[in-house]
Amino acid sequence: KQEVTQIPAALSVPEGENLVLNCSFTDSAIYNLQWFRQDPGKGLTSLLLIQSSQREQTSGRLNASLDKSSGRSTLYIAASQPGDSATYLCAVLVAGNNRKLIWGLGTSLGVNP
Amino acid sequence: GAGVSQSPRYKVAKRGQDVALRCDPISGHVSLFWYQQALGQGPEFLTYFQNEAQLDKSGLPSDRFFAERPEGSVSTLKIQRTQQEDSAVYLCASSPRQKSPLHFGNGTRLTVT
Repeated sequence: KQEVTQIPAALSVPEGENLVLNCSFTDSAIYNLQWFRQDPGKGLTSLLLIQSSQREQTSGRLNASLDKSSGRSTLYIAASQPGDSATYLCAVLVAGNNRKLIWGLGTSLGVNP
Repeated sequence: GAGVSQSPRYKVAKRGQDVALRCDPISGHVSLFWYQQALGQGPEFLTYFQNEAQLDKSGLPSDRFFAERPEGSVSTLKIQRTQQEDSAVYLCASSPRQKSPLHFGNGTRLTVT
């Protein structure tokens, strides 16, 4: 059974710092992995999607890596800003006929001005 | 439309009442998902549609939960005889095709009193 774990559960950093959020999954049989952002009371915003055949994806100050064999992904945020404060969730799309995403519990990030 | 739209935004129901939650996906999106997110938890998969066909309903917690997408666009999640444990945010997501990034609505927050 696929399980997704995110570390740390919460993180507080001063503005301008570079930071790394971690996601691990137990079964490497995945189609892709997505990183999402969730603001309080809001839905989820897709940040980056990495296909199982890819190693990383970049968008602006965000870079996500995927090591499928070891079951790990990282989300790197460069030069953090107060507007980056949110909960970041990773989710894997399991392989096979089952098309559902399996989610981590998220990392709650606070960036202090 | 510009994004996935869900209504109502908030719903308070007395225990035992029936509720209906609506999702308007992005026009042309083939795939539609419903997720349930309890406070402080990641989203839990409920059901998946490809066009009008409900291909996976393995996440529906009981036979009180029913989802439909009769014309392959708008979807309705119905919960009969609501219970307090049904209180959660119900998220709808759509994507243009399988394994594409999901686009989420802002969710419906259901509170059962």
